[in-house]
Amino acid sequence: QKEVEQDPGPLSVPEGAIVSLNCTYSNSAFQYFMWYRQYSRKGPELLMYTYSSGNKEDGRFTAQVDKSSKYISLFIRDSQPSDSATYLCAPRRTNDYKLSFGAGTTVTVRA
Amino acid sequence: DAGVIQSPRHEVTEMGQEVTLRCKPISGHNSLFWYRQTMMRGLELLIYFNNNVPIDDSGMPEDRFSAKMPNASFSTLKIQPSEPRDSAVYFCASSLGSGGDNEQFFGPGTRLTVL
Repeated sequence: QKEVEQDPGPLSVPEGAIVSLNCTYSNSAFQYFMWYRQYSRKGPELLMYTYSSGNKEDGRFTAQVDKSSKYISLFIRDSQPSDSATYLCAPRRTNDYKLSFGAGTTVTVRA
Repeated sequence: DAGVIQSPRHEVTEMGQEVTLRCKPISGHNSLFWYRQTMMRGLELLIYFNNNVPIDDSGMPEDRFSAKMPNASFSTLKIQPSEPRDSAVYFCASSLGSGGDNEQFFGPGTRLTVL
């Protein structure tokens, strides 16, 4: 079993829809929960991260972590065509250099 | 800042040839990572350097793969001899520190095709 499982997608939504992306993980030592966005033919870039459980909002993006169920979510409100990309969850332990990347979910927002 | 620079951006080679991928990390960053991305296996960490010293090479798939970091501004990943199954996108990333909330900044990648 992989350490991080991510809904495979792909997802195709109309512009303005809410996009929900999810990951589950098995390592209870994870404390930092990163979301990377990767545009086609580009390198991943950090979108946002949360520490431990709870919610974090950044503009149209909200990241949620439920450590009791080992569940990570990213929500995109009022989705735009520019949000079309692959989203990768990547948790890590506090003092660990390693990021445990999920497989990624490819999202297409139709204009 | 120019970000992480990788070269070449694309490489097409024949099986058995030596391939050298190059990376220039962001100035001042002391951590450097090489990743490989494929559809089947996703993004895999190959090797991690801290202050130019290889700390973890457990992700290097075989002895055919080697990586060096002779100074703080340059690293190479070499495959010799290359095989078709090495075809993938190879990313270099750097960060100011390691662990915690330290962000890894990725380069644009090198798309390698081994025929």
